[in-house]
Amino acid sequence: AQSVTQLDSQVPVFEEAPVELRCNYSSSVSVYLFWYVQYPNQGLQLLLKYLSGSTLVKGINGFEAEFNKSQTSFHLRKPSVHISDTAEYFCAVSLSSASKIIFGSGTRLSIRP
Amino acid sequence: NAGVTQTPKFRVLKTGQSMTLLCAQDMNHEYMYWYRQDPGMGLRLIHYSVGEGTTAKGEVPDGYNVSRLKKQNFLLGLESAAPSQTSVYFCASRQGARIMNTEAFFGQGTRLTVV
Repeated sequence: AQSVTQLDSQVPVFEEAPVELRCNYSSSVSVYLFWYVQYPNQGLQLLLKYLSGSTLVKGINGFEAEFNKSQTSFHLRKPSVHISDTAEYFCAVSLSSASKIIFGSGTRLSIRP
Repeated sequence: NAGVTQTPKFRVLKTGQSMTLLCAQDMNHEYMYWYRQDPGMGLRLIHYSVGEGTTAKGEVPDGYNVSRLKKQNFLLGLESAAPSQTSVYFCASRQGARIMNTEAFFGQGTRLTVV
């Protein structure tokens, strides 16, 4: 069965600093990978997704992620964060041939001015 | 285009009461999911459906039942609510796992408190 591990429950950074949110997955077959963002008291919305092809994926709001098959990782990065990026971020995995989407435990990103 | 709509948005139940959460999607999606979100645990899959008339268990199905009588609706039932079911519940839908646009779309959540 697939699983997702988000290594950091909270990440505090200063405004305009770079940030990396880490995600590792386990699966014996090929997968689809996602990053979702949840703003306070809202549902989840998609930031970006990896299905196949280029391992560097660009998403909305200046975020990008890199798929590394050998390290089974899909880390999320942004070169310069803004106060509005304060939110909880979830990594998720779905087997290419299955229908379940499994989420990690989330990383709370807090931006300090 | 409403997307995924959850009803109700808030509810307080007494232990032992029953209730049904409704999820409706207008995107003609095949797959639908119910998750619960608890602090520090992310989203955990309760049940899901891969099409009208089908349901399957997820990671934490105990204490819940679901039905998908119509393609656009996915109902989550609590037969006898327990305080451990206090959580925020999210419904999601997805076009299909083998299709390129395979992201899930989420509702705004239902905050349930069991006292």
